[in-house]
Amino acid sequence: AQTVTQSQPEMSVQEAETVTLSCTYDTSESDYYLFWYKQPPSRQMILVIRQEAYKQQNATENRFSVNFQKAAKSFSLKISDSQLGDAAMYFCASLQGGSEKLVFGKGTKLTVNP
Amino acid sequence: GAVVSQHPSWVICKSGTSVKIECRSLDFQATTMFWYRQFPKQSLMLMATSNEGSKATYEQGVEKDKFLINHASLTLSTLTVTSAHPEDSSFYICSASPYREGTQYFGPGTRLTVL
Repeated sequence: AQTVTQSQPEMSVQEAETVTLSCTYDTSESDYYLFWYKQPPSRQMILVIRQEAYKQQNATENRFSVNFQKAAKSFSLKISDSQLGDAAMYFCASLQGGSEKLVFGKGTKLTVNP
Repeated sequence: GAVVSQHPSWVICKSGTSVKIECRSLDFQATTMFWYRQFPKQSLMLMATSNEGSKATYEQGVEKDKFLINHASLTLSTLTVTSAHPEDSSFYICSASPYREGTQYFGPGTRLTVL
């Protein structure tokens, strides 16, 4: 069974600084996808970034990038130039190829200090 | 693109009544929709997976007779909480996945309060 672990329940960062959120996962499949979702106080889940396991290149979306270490089964999210609007719960999730179900980590609460 | 709406956003009902929550994919067709429940400060818990035109698949421990799911079209799924009780009070979130895309896009959620 897939598992996703986020070892940091809470993190904080100064505005304009960089922060990295950790995520490790466990899967026996070779075909899978990894995601970071953001849930701000509004509770709307927002897709931040997606990574296909077969791609070696790390995904990037503007200020958000991932460090995908397949052998180590690690998928960390780096937020550059942090903004106040980045404050949210961040959930790491995995999806096995051929499966429809997302497996979520427990989340990391990110606080951005002005 | 990939917008999912959910209605209502907040509902308060009396114990014993039924409540229906709608989930719509606005700009794509969703072969699969998902229903989650989220308790405060916790992660999302998958309740069921629904595919258009077929019966929903419920996760272990979820009462199918209490949480009725109907996926009537490629853009609409409904969750009906039957005979609601205070312990059913929670935040319910739906998501939808475009055909073969895999990524799930989430609705804004519905806060259910049962008095």
